[in-house]
Amino acid sequence: GAGVSQSPSNKVTEKGKDVELRCDPISGHTALYWYRQSLGQGLEFLIYFQGNSAPDKSGLPSDRFSAERTGGSVSTLTIQRTQQEDSAVYLCASSFRRDNHEQFFGPGTRLTVL
Amino acid sequence: AQSVTQPDIHITVSEGASLELRCNYSYGATPYLFWYVQSPGQGLQLLLKYFSGDTLVQGIKGFEAEFKRSQSSFNLRKPSVHWTDAAEYFCAVGEDTNAGKSTFGDGTTLTVKP
Repeated sequence: GAGVSQSPSNKVTEKGKDVELRCDPISGHTALYWYRQSLGQGLEFLIYFQGNSAPDKSGLPSDRFSAERTGGSVSTLTIQRTQQEDSAVYLCASSFRRDNHEQFFGPGTRLTVL
Repeated sequence: AQSVTQPDIHITVSEGASLELRCNYSYGATPYLFWYVQSPGQGLQLLLKYFSGDTLVQGIKGFEAEFKRSQSSFNLRKPSVHWTDAAEYFCAVGEDTNAGKSTFGDGTTLTVKP
């Protein structure tokens, strides 16, 4: 595809349920990032994948959050036992490493935890 | 650790007036600096970036930004604002490594008066 895609675009869930958010990066991009954007806030870095290297998980807020990237392409962000404070827009971005870090963002998934 | 401060949460300008959005960063090495724009319901779009060289960089949509190392600033400017420029603007600083992880400011919301 032409850009980064994310699904679903909106997700409403009940507190305590698990959710999975998907990101399809731009073909050929080796780096993939997940960010969280809470209402009225900036972007909070969550996790970063680069090629086959171990991911940088330093931004994950708790052990309820995890992410994987299969085959160096699609990534899934999983939130277990969701809490109301997890409500936010989750943004995925990808970049072509040799292009000096310019990140291309997807439209985001708006997660609402009731 | 790197950080980004956008002192102005909200700015209102009249259409046709000039615009300057402030960004201050904290980073020990040579920064990679970015400005992104996020229109309502849209993903983030890169406006411009600075890596090295000329400290005045030109971006899309008529925007420019000036890197001032002595002031740790990277302010965004536009000589004449259009109503379509109403959006949220984010400044970001990237790591001076191949990791490419970026830290974002909290954003400045721009309102354009007719």
